[in-house]
Amino acid sequence: NAGVMQNPRHLVRRRGQEARLRCSPMKGHSHVYWYRQLPEEGLKFMVYLQKENIIDESGMPKERFSAEFPKEGPSILRIQQVVRGDSAAYFCASSPGLANTGELFFGEGSRLTVL
Amino acid sequence: AQTVTQSQPEMSVQEAETVTLSCTYDTSESDYYLFWYKQPPSRQMILVIRQEAYKQQNATENRFSVNFQKAAKSFSLKISDSQLGDAAMYFCAYRIKAAGNKLTFGGGTRVLVKP
Repeated sequence: NAGVMQNPRHLVRRRGQEARLRCSPMKGHSHVYWYRQLPEEGLKFMVYLQKENIIDESGMPKERFSAEFPKEGPSILRIQQVVRGDSAAYFCASSPGLANTGELFFGEGSRLTVL
Repeated sequence: AQTVTQSQPEMSVQEAETVTLSCTYDTSESDYYLFWYKQPPSRQMILVIRQEAYKQQNATENRFSVNFQKAAKSFSLKISDSQLGDAAMYFCAYRIKAAGNKLTFGGGTRVLVKP
């Protein structure tokens, strides 16, 4: 039973390029969360999605960032026109739904480096 | 704003000894979960222990236990009989039941274990 799968594990982009990070939730999980972790800091909530719906995007920057969780396939976090400040580890987590113990299951993260 | 504060950036403990990590949080809600997550150098976020706010009994998981003081909004983690594998970043987090599964994290405490 595979856990939350994220790829790529490491991504290097030059300023102005686009970054796409993918997340496949655990089998049977329909809720996906994206978090960002800057060096030496805790995880900061970005967005919460269910299949084909964005439930809470209160942590997403207003510009350049978008997320989707299509009916088929992984969730995608997209960062357009990356800047150096976007360099961080991006974690995806999943859960089966709200009626559970509240635990989120995390992937191993995708580390984005912007040159 | 709802926040989680971990006042100890780093704690050092001798192998087999006990270390306590502090965590305070600020929320006006009464129904929530509290968590401690461990992040080893591999960067995977691993759930250590979970506490439901309406339960007065402190949670325990093997060598890990918590001291939950709801009125003081305090949720400390005690690691007993520390092992080298306990060396990691530890993050305190909470989830408001009415707010989906969104977790709010503290800034983390790095635990060093001396052989």
